Amino acid sequence: DIQMTQSPSSLSASVGDRVTITCRASQSIGSFLNWYQHKPGAAPKLLIYDASSLQSGVPSRFSGSGSGADFTLTISSLQPEDFATYYCQQSYDIRSFGPGTKVNI
Amino acid sequence: QVQLVESGGGVVQPGGSLRLSCAASGFTFSSYGMHWVRQAPGKGLEWVAFIRYDGSDKYYADSVRGRLTVSRDNSKNTVYLQMNSLRAEDTAIYYCAKDGVMRGHNGALDIWGQGTMVTVSS
Repeated sequence: DIQMTQSPSSLSASVGDRVTITCRASQSIGSFLNWYQHKPGAAPKLLIYDASSLQSGVPSRFSGSGSGADFTLTISSLQPEDFATYYCQQSYDIRSFGPGTKVNI
Repeated sequence: QVQLVESGGGVVQPGGSLRLSCAASGFTFSSYGMHWVRQAPGKGLEWVAFIRYDGSDKYYADSVRGRLTVSRDNSKNTVYLQMNSLRAEDTAIYYCAKDGVMRGHNGALDIWGQGTMVTVSS
């Protein structure tokens, strides 16, 4: 099974900050890496698919990069509505999620 | 609009059974694989199961294999999760989600339902 790790597990940031979250797979997964945003009481939301493709309707301040086993999600200028938990997920071999990164004020 | 609506959650005793349903609308259901994902209280997201668009293949997380079974009825635009031999650690919000690739199996989960809560407790 492919294991996913994320760092940091949580971070504190302010509105307007640039935020970077990293994700690492236990083996190469090509570009089969997706990013989700999850807020309490809401359904998870797809942000980035195939490592760097922006899902329709997602603001351009979100971007993804990487390939192989190392990936990054960047929020270029944090907005109040971006405080949430972010998960990476591989779709190379069935599915598995990273443990999440909570973005706090 | 594209929508997934889960139902069937509730409180069940350890060892009991429950069947979750997920009704889809707004897209060609029979062309897409479907997933179940859960979130236990205070925990992260855990992928649970996947069924291909035509039901020909099914995949499960090790933690649920042999106890949970995914199925679908394309005539009713509905996917199911039959949950047997339930344990306290199965307590979670269960989400169904649509695979993003038509007739594929490597897509992102692009549409999610709001989830249904399952509590396993005596």
